[in-house]
Amino acid sequence: EPEVTQTPSHQVTQMGQEVILRCVPISNHLYFYWYRQILGQKVEFLVSFYNNEISEKSEIFDDQFSVERPDGSNFTLKIRSTKLEDSAMYFCASLRGLQETQYFGPGTRLLVL
Amino acid sequence: AQTVTQSQPEMSVQEAETVTLSCTYDTSESDYYLFWYKQPPSRQMILVIRQEAYKQQNATENRFSVNFQKAAKSFSLKISDSQLGDAAMYFCAYRSNTKAAGNKLTFGGGTRVLVKP
Repeated sequence: EPEVTQTPSHQVTQMGQEVILRCVPISNHLYFYWYRQILGQKVEFLVSFYNNEISEKSEIFDDQFSVERPDGSNFTLKIRSTKLEDSAMYFCASLRGLQETQYFGPGTRLLVL
Repeated sequence: AQTVTQSQPEMSVQEAETVTLSCTYDTSESDYYLFWYKQPPSRQMILVIRQEAYKQQNATENRFSVNFQKAAKSFSLKISDSQLGDAAMYFCAYRSNTKAAGNKLTFGGGTRVLVKP
């Protein structure tokens, strides 16, 4: 069964460093998402991406964040200058069509020291 | 903006028994989807069940079923014949089906389910 994959599974970084989280959505999916979950809290929407552009973003998704689909398979989330409060689990999700269900990747656990 | 509320932080159930998780939501829309996701200790998000708001019939998936009350904006999940593998965090989620509103998921705060052998 096709699945969303994410790399790395864990990342530790120093405050102020840039990180890139990578996702490979399911191959015939058209809509892509990033969510985050701070430990012990609810899952929060960050950004959605369709047709090579951002379709919606939350207030969390400020200028420090960017997304890109550099080729036909990868979908990346970049955090330019990490802060302690960026420590969280980051989930990628993809969706084939608007009537369908979002499928989540296994997540990347980011720790900012 | 839509909000999703799960009022039970934690629920405990005996193996083979039934547990019901509550979820309420607030929306002015009439066309939307509701979901329950399971998050085991690995923190993977696994879809349990989905309900389309236009369908009056409650969704079922094996031992999992929902009680969808559209007028009351309530969407509870029933786990029957609970198994040890059901122990996890369960999140209720809402998604608009109005294109202008976007199609992001809005999650509740979660309910932790403990299963006692």
